Amino acid sequence: QKEVEQNSGPLSVPEGAIASLNCTYSDRGSQSFFWYRQYSGKSPELIMSIYSNGDKEDGRFTAQLNKASQYVSLLIRDSQPSDSATYLCAGASGGSYIPTFGRGTSLIVHP
Amino acid sequence: DVKVTQSSRYLVKRTGEKVFLECVQDMDHENMFWYRQDPGLGLRLIYFSYDVKMKEKGDIPEGYSVSREKKERFSLILESASTNQTSMYLCASSGQPKNYEQYFGPGTRLTVT
Repeated sequence: QKEVEQNSGPLSVPEGAIASLNCTYSDRGSQSFFWYRQYSGKSPELIMSIYSNGDKEDGRFTAQLNKASQYVSLLIRDSQPSDSATYLCAGASGGSYIPTFGRGTSLIVHP
Repeated sequence: DVKVTQSSRYLVKRTGEKVFLECVQDMDHENMFWYRQDPGLGLRLIYFSYDVKMKEKGDIPEGYSVSREKKERFSLILESASTNQTSMYLCASSGQPKNYEQYFGPGTRLTVT
């Protein structure tokens, strides 16, 4: 059973702080990982993909992957109230093209 | 930009009605998916398709069927709607070269009364 685990939160951070969202996965064969942002009542939006160990930066977002520890994280620098949303982590392996999604972490950025 | 559209944002149907949810993508993606999302349960895969005329069952196919007559269009059918099918339905697509990156439509919030 492939599983992706996330703390449901909410994670509350002050505006301007770094928000750190974490995810662990059970399938050692997972090669590709994704972070989606989902605002309340809206659909998930892909914000980051990471395929190799290490860090990947895109603007205020940094994704980190550690395959040995089966751990993926998303850092959001200079957090803004508009970043308040649920963040879904997903992992994929093999040729099925179907990611396994976590249940998401709720992030609240307060002014 | 990838664009995935769904036929309705909100839908209210009665128990026993046949319900059609349509999804269209404009990126020539081979792969299309239907999920439902419920509070506390996350995203659950209903059906998916890797090509025209092809369909595969996901984790919760009972009570649903699908149709993919054209590459860009993937329809979800509730043969006889029931109250436990009240949910947010999300369509997604993916394709070459990044087959694992799914792009979601806006969702249809279906209420069955």
